[in-house]
Amino acid sequence: EDQVTQSPEALRLQEGESSSLNCSYTVSGLRGLFWYRQDPGKGPEFLFTLYSAGEEKEKERLKATLTKKESFLHITAPKPEDSATYLCAVQANYGQNFVFGPGTRLSVLP
Amino acid sequence: DSGVTQTPKHLITATGQRVTLRCSPRSGDLSVYWYQQSLDQGLQFLIQYYNGEERAKGNILERFSAQQFPDLHSELNLSSLELGDSALYFCASSVSAGTDTQYFGPGTRLTVL
Repeated sequence: EDQVTQSPEALRLQEGESSSLNCSYTVSGLRGLFWYRQDPGKGPEFLFTLYSAGEEKEKERLKATLTKKESFLHITAPKPEDSATYLCAVQANYGQNFVFGPGTRLSVLP
Repeated sequence: DSGVTQTPKHLITATGQRVTLRCSPRSGDLSVYWYQQSLDQGLQFLIQYYNGEERAKGNILERFSAQQFPDLHSELNLSSLELGDSALYFCASSVSAGTDTQYFGPGTRLTVL
């Protein structure tokens, strides 16, 4: 069975304090790994798609990386507006549905 | 704004009742997905439609059903509601049936009293 875990469950950072979020997955064959950001009571907002080990993608203060068993979301010099829950999802082979992890709740304090 | 719209934003109803949630996908997207998100569980996939046909089923209860219409909007019907059905219900859409990125709507918050 495909599984996704995320750590830590919650993370508090001071503004400017860089850190990383982890997404570990077990799938039969990975088609894609997806990162979303979700604000309370709102729909998940798409951030990145990664397809193969070694791939990296960047957007502003965020950088996502992928290995064969996990992905990291690196946050450089975060700001309070980066506070949100970050969700990771995997799609195991073409046509299979997304399996979401439980998320990491990030708080960035000014 | 993802381009996916959902109505209503909030819905408050009583146990045993039936409700309908509506979703309009992004322009050009043929696939619609429904998810449930409750406090103690993450995003749970319910069902997928592609161009009017059911494509995949997840953890959807028999009391729940969905359909996708010729104009590609979708409705999720929840019946015989129970307290435990209170949750956020999200719709997402993507270009094709098995392709990558799903874009999510703002959600409908259902409260069952």
